Amino acid sequence: NAGVTQTPKFQVLKTGQSMTLQCAQDMNHNSMYWYRQDPGMGLRLIYYSASEGTTDKGEVPNGYNVSRLNKREFSLRLESAAPSQTSVYFCASSLVDLQPQHFGDGTRLSIL
Amino acid sequence: GQQVMQIPQYQHVQEGEDFTTYCNSSTTLSNIQWYKQRPGGHPVFLIQLVKSGEVKKQKRLTFQFGEAKKNSSLHITATQTTDVGTYFCAGPNGNQFYFGTGTSLTVIP
Repeated sequence: NAGVTQTPKFQVLKTGQSMTLQCAQDMNHNSMYWYRQDPGMGLRLIYYSASEGTTDKGEVPNGYNVSRLNKREFSLRLESAAPSQTSVYFCASSLVDLQPQHFGDGTRLSIL
Repeated sequence: GQQVMQIPQYQHVQEGEDFTTYCNSSTTLSNIQWYKQRPGGHPVFLIQLVKSGEVKKQKRLTFQFGEAKKNSSLHITATQTTDVGTYFCAGPNGNQFYFGTGTSLTVIP
């Protein structure tokens, strides 16, 4: 069972470059989430999708866009990367909205 | 804005000692969830509490949800080296989901 799969695991970008982080889950979950984790700040919700076809802003959505491609896949896009977006990004899914979540292994993103 | 604070931020204990982390939200949460993240890993769900005043146990771990549904605690009895990691509380408020700042536990053998 793969659970939640994120790609890539590591990435280095230059300021201004764009990038899409991919996330897929095989648990038939309805809800999916994107978080960023910075030292000392816990996890902060960027965007979430309560169900296929819907997306909503979280606590820190500025500089990001998302696409819920289908029930399995939820991608996060940085249109013009900034050094402040250097972080570890986690994708998660849950059976229904705001219930216990399963996390992927994360993407470690550095922006120079 | 919404804040979920945890104290302490760091805790070092000798193996066999007890450990407690406290979680406080600025607003009422409909439920409280606890997660554990090992160094270099991802958060793993431990437990969910829903009712005001609820207490749940998992082996050496005891979880409590406050009467006002704004605070919670996790207590570990007789810590082991396998307990090392960061413990996060988390919960929904409205249609948003908030994680606490986390408590990093180090267990000294």
